[in-house]
Amino acid sequence: KQEVTQIPAALSVPEGENLVLNCSFTDSAIYNLQWFRQDPGKGLTSLLLIQSSQREQTSGRLNASLDKSSGRSTLYIAASQPGDSATYLCAVPKDSGYSTLTFGKGTMLLVSP
Amino acid sequence: DGGITQSPKYLFRKEGQNVTLSCEQNLNHDAMYWYRQDPGQGLRLIYYSQIVNDFQKGDIAEGYSVSREKKESFPLTVTSAQKNPTAFYLCASTNGQWADTQYFGPGTRLTVL
Repeated sequence: KQEVTQIPAALSVPEGENLVLNCSFTDSAIYNLQWFRQDPGKGLTSLLLIQSSQREQTSGRLNASLDKSSGRSTLYIAASQPGDSATYLCAVPKDSGYSTLTFGKGTMLLVSP
Repeated sequence: DGGITQSPKYLFRKEGQNVTLSCEQNLNHDAMYWYRQDPGQGLRLIYYSQIVNDFQKGDIAEGYSVSREKKESFPLTVTSAQKNPTAFYLCASTNGQWADTQYFGPGTRLTVL
């Protein structure tokens, strides 16, 4: 059974810092991995999707990497801003099922001005 | 604009009542999903549907029911058999392929009085 763990559970940084969020998964036979952002009381917004054949995916100040062999992914946020404050979740397809996802519990990020 | 709508935003249920949460998408996606989110537990899959008139149970289907009579609609009924229904409910969709991003609605917060 696939399990997804995110570390740290919460992170507080001053504005302008570069930071890394971590995601690990137990079954390395994944098809892809997705990173999402969730603002309080809102739905999830997709940030990046990395295919299993890719090692990195970039969007603006965000860079996600994937190392299937070690069961790890990282989300790098450059030059953090207060508007980046949110919960970040990673998800991978379940070990069975069609596009159903297993989610980590998320990292709650607070960027202070 | 294409997207997913959920209604109502807030819902209050008395003990013993069934309530139905609405989810509509205009993305022409084949697959739709219902998740439940509780504080500290991440997202858990309730039901999913790959195609009209077909749906499968997720990890926590007991006390819930769904229907998929139209491609764009996937309503979730929370029955009186669900003993602890207070949670944030999220609907999502994809076009059904493994490689695709999963899109989420804004959520419905259900509270049992």
